[in-house]
Amino acid sequence: DTGVSQDPRHKITKRGQNVTFRCDPISEHNRLYWYRQTLGQGPEFLTYFQNEAQLEKSRLLSDRFSAERPKGSFSTLEIQRTEQGDSAMYLCASCSYHRGLATSSTDTQYFGPGTRLTVL
Amino acid sequence: GDSVTQMEGPVTLSEEAFLTINCTYTATGYPSLFWYVQYPGEGLQLLLKATKADDKGSNKGFEATYRKETTSFHLEKGSVQVSDSAVYFCALRGPGNFNKFYFGSGTKLNVKP
Repeated sequence: DTGVSQDPRHKITKRGQNVTFRCDPISEHNRLYWYRQTLGQGPEFLTYFQNEAQLEKSRLLSDRFSAERPKGSFSTLEIQRTEQGDSAMYLCASCSYHRGLATSSTDTQYFGPGTRLTVL
Repeated sequence: GDSVTQMEGPVTLSEEAFLTINCTYTATGYPSLFWYVQYPGEGLQLLLKATKADDKGSNKGFEATYRKETTSFHLEKGSVQVSDSAVYFCALRGPGNFNKFYFGSGTKLNVKP
């Protein structure tokens, strides 16, 4: 299976600790997105990369959050000094985007299974 | 800004009943519209999409038509099955090249045998 994968699937941590999540997108996809999903809500956009460049960050992404995609393949999302309000499902998605191509062929995002974070 | 509003759940139906989940959107320009489904313990899966007005997306017996005049993209299925029990999310992708998605809050569907 060559879908989007995320690791770990579950993470329990104590308040104040740092955590790091990993996302491996579909190999040929050049765009990678991070979302946060809280219980009973839809995913909320956090940030996205095109290749290794981080092109946009949501105001939801406080300075305790940092994301990288160093080689334009996998990405990591780190949360420093976790707070109980950080408890959520963190979703990664990827897609293939090429400027000038018809949007119908490039606008579908494929999601990973998510990492569920619980901050005690 | 861009946003999606979908009907609150849960929606409980008997097997073979007709399903409608309402979705309306607010967007500048001409977004693409999507329905994603999330089964228990799994990630979001694309169910269907439509990229321009009057397009109909369809998959697995589900349909939704992009209605620009009513800014709606309601999900329908003529005969639901127990296996359709899941959470359904309506989403839009804004025009432009950012490809950022905006999701509704989700509608949980419970189908009883």
